[in-house]
This record gives sequence, structure tokens and C-alpha cells, in this order.
Amino acid sequence: EPEVTQTPSHQVTQMGQEVILHCVPISNHLYFYWYRQILGQKVEFLVSFYNNEISEKSEIFDDQFSVERPDGSNFTLKIRSTKLEDSAMYFCASTRNTEAFFGQGTRLTVV
Amino acid sequence: AQKITQTQPGMFVQEKEAVTLDCTYDTSDQSYGLFWYKQPSSGEMIFLIYQGSYDEQNATEGRYSLNFQKARKSANLVISASQLGDSAMYFCAMSPDPGGTSYGKLTFGQGTILTVHP
Repeated sequence: EPEVTQTPSHQVTQMGQEVILHCVPISNHLYFYWYRQILGQKVEFLVSFYNNEISEKSEIFDDQFSVERPDGSNFTLKIRSTKLEDSAMYFCASTRNTEAFFGQGTRLTVV
Repeated sequence: AQKITQTQPGMFVQEKEAVTLDCTYDTSDQSYGLFWYKQPSSGEMIFLIYQGSYDEQNATEGRYSLNFQKARKSANLVISASQLGDSAMYFCAMSPDPGGTSYGKLTFGQGTILTVHP
């Protein structure tokens, strides 16, 4: 069964460093998303992406964040200069026209 | 703005029994979607069931059913015949008027931890 794949599963980075989280959405899906879940808290929407551009973003998604679909399969989230409060599980999701399917997540730890 | 409220931080159920996880929502949208996701301890988010606001019948998917009461703005998840593998965090979520990117733009509740006892 097709699935959303995220790499790495765990990333540790120093404060101030740039990180790129990788996602391969399901191949025939058209809409892509990033979410984050701070430990013990609810899942929060970050950004949606369609037709090679951002459709919508939350107030969390500030200038430190960017997304890109560099080729036909990958969808990346870049955090330019990480802060301690960026430590969270980051989920990629994709959908064609119904429910969103989520990847396994990348646990980002900023030290 | 959309809001999801899950008032049960934790629930316990005996194996093979049914359990209801509560979810209430608030939105000014006329059309919206309601979802339930399961998050096991391994962390992934697993889609369980979907209900559209205009669907007159309650959604069912195997042992999962969604008790949709539009007037009360509730969308409770019923799990029948609980199994040990059902122990997980369960999130209720909603999306704006389905269409385009909206399906995947979800607002989540705080979640309910379900523990199934043997």
C-alpha cells in the first residue's frame, strides 16, 4: 500500500543550525502539508502546498521556515536557524481529494 | 476559525468491550470534514475514519464508527470489540469545506489516550 515516507526519523541539531526534513508523498497525490507536534501537545498545521506554491500557512510558519518540491517526488521543510522551541515531531502529509495520509514523522531535537 | 475539543485525557476499556471517545467541534463553516486519527506509541498518525458534514449516515470502517450529531456538534468515535493493539492516542480533527487543499488542512484536538486492558 502506498505510503508517505519521511527521513530522517530522528534529527539532532545545534541551536542556530539549518535543518532540512525530507518527505516523499504518495505519488498521485496533489496536495502536501507539514504539521508539527511538540511533545505532549496537539498536532498543529504549519503549511499547505499545491501546484508548486504555498496555499496557506499558519502563524507558526514564519520566515525561518520554507518548503520546496525540488523534483517530482520530494517535498522538503527547511528551518533556517533552529531554536530550542523548534524541537518537535514534524509530520508530512499528502492527499489527493479525501483524507490526508501522514508519514511516520521526524523527531527534531534542538540542543 | 475551527476548534476541536476532546474532554477525555485518558480512557480505559476492557478487551472485547466497546468504547466511545468524545469529540465536539466548533465552526462557522456550513460544510466541513471530520476525521479521527490514531497515534500509537511509535508516533505515526494513522487515518481511521472520515465524516462529511453533509453525510446523513454515520461513517463506519470495520470496528470504527463515527457517531455524528450535527446539532450537538459532536463526532464521537466508537470502537467496538476493543483489542490490545487499540491502545494508543486518538485525535479528532476537522477540515474546512472539503475541496482542494482543504482536506488536508486539519485542526486537531488534544487527543485521548486509550488503554485497553486484557
